[in-house]
Amino acid sequence: KNQVEQSPQSLIILEGKNCTLQCNYTVSPFSNLRWYKQDTGRGPVSLTIMTFSENTKSNGRYTATLDADTKQSSLHITASQLSDSASYICVVSKAAGNKLTFGGGTRVLVKP
Amino acid sequence: DAGVIQSPRHEVTEMGQEVTLRCKPISGHNSLFWYRQTMMRGLELLIYFNNNVPIDDSGMPEDRFSAKMPNASFSTLKIQPSEPRDSAVYFCASSLGQVGTEAFFGQGTRLTVV
Repeated sequence: KNQVEQSPQSLIILEGKNCTLQCNYTVSPFSNLRWYKQDTGRGPVSLTIMTFSENTKSNGRYTATLDADTKQSSLHITASQLSDSASYICVVSKAAGNKLTFGGGTRVLVKP
Repeated sequence: DAGVIQSPRHEVTEMGQEVTLRCKPISGHNSLFWYRQTMMRGLELLIYFNNNVPIDDSGMPEDRFSAKMPNASFSTLKIQPSEPRDSAVYFCASSLGQVGTEAFFGQGTRLTVV
């Protein structure tokens, strides 16, 4: 069964600290993996996209990694800011059939 | 560009009533997606259109749900009759390309069925 599991479900960090979110998937065949940020009351916004051949990609203070062998991805947030408080959703695209599988998201709360 | 525009932002309706959600995609985008988001199930893809044609509606929960895209700049998602379990946030998104390409989401419609 094609699944995307995210951990932790939620976390609280102090402003200025770093954190790492995890995404494990079983989707096959793999096409790409995308991380979305969703602020409360708004639609998701794409942060990064990872294809099979990419190991690391950065977008400002956000750095995503992908290990296609172990089917794991991580999203690292450096020097967190209050505006990073949001849900982060991992979405994996299946190469065959154009299917998307969504993770349940990680809710991040950054405290001053 | 104004982005993807959805209306209404909030909708409260009584069980059994018909509900119509509206979406205007970003001009020039050829794919449009309808999603539903709940606390229990997260984000779910309901249906997507490519060049105004429904490509995959396997996510539509049941016959009470229907979606149309009469032209490149407008789509509707209709629920008839509505039920309390349909309460959720419904997002419309559009993209240049098919599933897997970057989708730009609207602000969502929060539907409450009482």
